[in-house]
Amino acid sequence: GAGVSQSPSNKVTEKGKDVELRCDPISGHTALYWYRQSLGQGLEFLIYFQGNSAPDKSGLPSDRFSAERTGGSVSTLTIQRTQQEDSAVYLCASSSPGLARHQETQYFGPGTRLLVL
Amino acid sequence: AQKVTQAQTEISVVEKEDVTLDCVYETRDTTYYLFWYKQPPSGELVFLIRRNSFDEQNEISGRYSWNFQKSTSSFNFTITASQVVDSAVYFCALSGGNSASKIIFGSGTRLSIRP
Repeated sequence: GAGVSQSPSNKVTEKGKDVELRCDPISGHTALYWYRQSLGQGLEFLIYFQGNSAPDKSGLPSDRFSAERTGGSVSTLTIQRTQQEDSAVYLCASSSPGLARHQETQYFGPGTRLLVL
Repeated sequence: AQKVTQAQTEISVVEKEDVTLDCVYETRDTTYYLFWYKQPPSGELVFLIRRNSFDEQNEISGRYSWNFQKSTSSFNFTITASQVVDSAVYFCALSGGNSASKIIFGSGTRLSIRP
């Protein structure tokens, strides 16, 4: 597809269950980012991938959160033992490879709306 | 530390009015990038503009214009002759000068254009 895609678009789960959120970046984009947007709030950085490695995981809120990326493409964000405060929109973004010290623009997917009951 | 402040939580104007969204940033990086994103009711973030710290030239794109002033650490966004379709939440954002760096977002300004 032309843009970043995410699935599912909506997810309702019970407290304590595990969830997996998927992101398909724009083809050829080697950098991939996960952000979280709580209701009425700005975006909070979670993790960044360059290829399959994650040089910056500083935004993951707890060890219940993990992410992986395979084949330099699809990424999965996993939340274990979900809590109500995990309810948010989880956004994925990707950017194209750039020269050193040149920031590439991040393009965002539509997000996954997660509701933990 | 990096920080982006959008002091205007909500703005409401009548269609065809001009409106300016304020953005003030803090960073210790000498090279950095500033962004504006639009988030319409559909929820998807739409990229509007990126500026690097070495280019203070103001930019105009149709009804949109941006005023970047390093002296006041501001990157304000003006919509001229606003339209109902401009109604959205607008986020100002900042990133460092590394080849890939997380974006720090402001809290957003909700803009409502009344017909």
